[in-house]
Amino acid sequence: QKEVEQNSGPLSVPEGAIASLNCTYSDRVSQSFFWYRQYSGKSPELIMSIYSNGDKEDGRFTAQLNKASQYVSLLIRDSQPSDSATYLCAGGATSGTYKYIFGTGTRLKVLA
Amino acid sequence: NAGVTQTPKFQVLKTGQSMTLQCAQDMNHNSMYWYRQDPGMGLRLIYYSASEGTTDKGEVPNGYNVSRLNKREFSLRLESAAPSQTSVYFCASSTYHGSSYNEQFFGPGTRLTVL
Repeated sequence: QKEVEQNSGPLSVPEGAIASLNCTYSDRVSQSFFWYRQYSGKSPELIMSIYSNGDKEDGRFTAQLNKASQYVSLLIRDSQPSDSATYLCAGGATSGTYKYIFGTGTRLKVLA
Repeated sequence: NAGVTQTPKFQVLKTGQSMTLQCAQDMNHNSMYWYRQDPGMGLRLIYYSASEGTTDKGEVPNGYNVSRLNKREFSLRLESAAPSQTSVYFCASSTYHGSSYNEQFFGPGTRLTVL
């Protein structure tokens, strides 16, 4: 099993819909998680962090962490064409090395 | 605050040439990282420095060296560039409290082509 796994997509949603991005992780990943948005040709930009079980909301974004299922998700409400990007899920390594482990990203396309 | 800055933004090298990529952060972060990103490969960790005075290998360290010059600066050196090192290079920084990971922030990247 990959340490952090994401479906590469593309995930296509119509404008105004909810986009749901998912990530699973292994025991080698600690329970601090981060979602990044990366536009083509740009660097990853942090959009959400989540440290405890449950939901965390910030504007149109909601991050969800389920430690029992080793599952992290990002919901984007009222999706806009400007949300079209690759979304990277990352967690800290449990080895205590201060390394971050990234998934390969899910490409999201919001259709106008 | 500028955050994480990288120079240069673009570079073209010939095989066998050397160069140093520079990275600086002004967020007083303990840890700094170098990643490379290739199409379809995701981010791969080259080297990192958990704190000033320490450096450690990541997933793909061969062909690279690093220097943590001080708390702010972390450079990546290619001693003898190879076409396989054509990539986009990102520097990142973060801080930590005990065993808790905090957010990691990225620089704008250096696009390197080795001919």
